[in-house]
Amino acid sequence: GENVEQHPSTLSVQEGDSAVIKCTYSDSASNYFPWYKQELGKRPQLIIDIRSNVGEKKDQRIAVTLNKTAKHFSLHITETQPEDSAVYFCAASMSNDMRFGAGTRLTVKP
Amino acid sequence: GAVVSQHPSWVICKSGTSVKIECRSLDFQATTMFWYRQFPKQSLMLMATSNEGSKATYEQGVEKDKFLINHASLTLSTLTVTSAHPEDSSFYICSAPEQLNQPQHFGDGTRLSIL
Repeated sequence: GENVEQHPSTLSVQEGDSAVIKCTYSDSASNYFPWYKQELGKRPQLIIDIRSNVGEKKDQRIAVTLNKTAKHFSLHITETQPEDSAVYFCAASMSNDMRFGAGTRLTVKP
Repeated sequence: GAVVSQHPSWVICKSGTSVKIECRSLDFQATTMFWYRQFPKQSLMLMATSNEGSKATYEQGVEKDKFLINHASLTLSTLTVTSAHPEDSSFYICSAPEQLNQPQHFGDGTRLSIL
């Protein structure tokens, strides 16, 4: 089955700096890659997603890139703000079978 | 937008009790729902896929007799933790996509604490 690896496990940046989180997946059949933000004790919230027919997608300060050949995808957050602090999960999915990475705890220091 | 409702949000009970958690899709029909378990500071681990009108598909290592799943309608899936013990204490969360290979909508989760 699909195996998703995510790095780093923790990331601390200064407010205004950029943050990058990287994920790799094992199953070349996976075709949908969402990113979720989860605050403590709350549900994961979808922040951006990308499909396998697209190499890059951007939504304001958040962007995701996908390299199908290398089977990795990355989340980029620019101009980070303290409210960006949370745990971020990547996921890879094929036909609704979604597997999550281990998560990255992002801390944005004011 | 589409919403998934999960109840209860918090359960504290004695060891040996069975606990039922409900997951409802409020404004769409969900032929498939997913149940995850999340331990503190860890990722979401898929436990099982709930299929309307048929048996659930369990992930390796998840005991189907321990975690009973029923998906009797297109808007409701239930997870029953039978004879719960302290090691079953965790955050359980369900999700459902509106359509095949679409974003998952997550419930608010259920924090289960077994004394």
